[in-house]
Amino acid sequence: GNSVTQMEGPVTLSEEAFLTINCTYTATGYPSLFWYVQYPGEGLQLLLKATKADDKGSNKGFEATYRKETTSFHLEKGSVQVSDSAVYFCALSERNTDKLIFGTGTRLQVFP
Amino acid sequence: DSGVTQTPKHLITATGQRVTLRCSPRSGDLSVYWYQQSLDQGLQFLIQYYNGEERAKGNILERFSAQQFPDLHSELNLSSLELGDSALYFCASSVGPPNTEAFFGQGTRLTVV
Repeated sequence: GNSVTQMEGPVTLSEEAFLTINCTYTATGYPSLFWYVQYPGEGLQLLLKATKADDKGSNKGFEATYRKETTSFHLEKGSVQVSDSAVYFCALSERNTDKLIFGTGTRLQVFP
Repeated sequence: DSGVTQTPKHLITATGQRVTLRCSPRSGDLSVYWYQQSLDQGLQFLIQYYNGEERAKGNILERFSAQQFPDLHSELNLSSLELGDSALYFCASSVGPPNTEAFFGQGTRLTVV
């Protein structure tokens, strides 16, 4: 079945450091890929998405590129801020239903 | 604000009881999804409704059921509650499928004591 694997956390960085959170997927066909963010005590917010191979999703300085050859969708940001501290979820959606399959989440902690 | 409303925000109940969680989707969205977030299972898809009809089913227990009403709001019913049912339950809505993004509510935190 379809699945998503993302790196274990927590990831601890100093402000202005470079961020990479790895995400790989297993899927039949060509799913859409997403990154969601969950701030403490809140629901999930869509951060970015890509719907086909080589698409790059970007938002608020975060980027991720849909790589079909490596079945990956790694999240990157050039300079993190304390306010980016949250849990980040990689997900894929199944084509005929749009139901989301999530990774386990990666907690990011950014210190000043 | 995603536009998806879930009530109640918090719920504390005893084992063996039954509860109902409610979700109002964004205006215009026809699909409603229910997810469970727990420490040991992570985020798991439970069930999807599209325009009143069940569209997809995930790892939903037989003690759980859901429905989507003509006004498109949805309810998730959890019965014979066990301690292990304690979790955050999210509702999400989308226009589609296909290829539409889902918007999540703030969740209902259920604590079974």
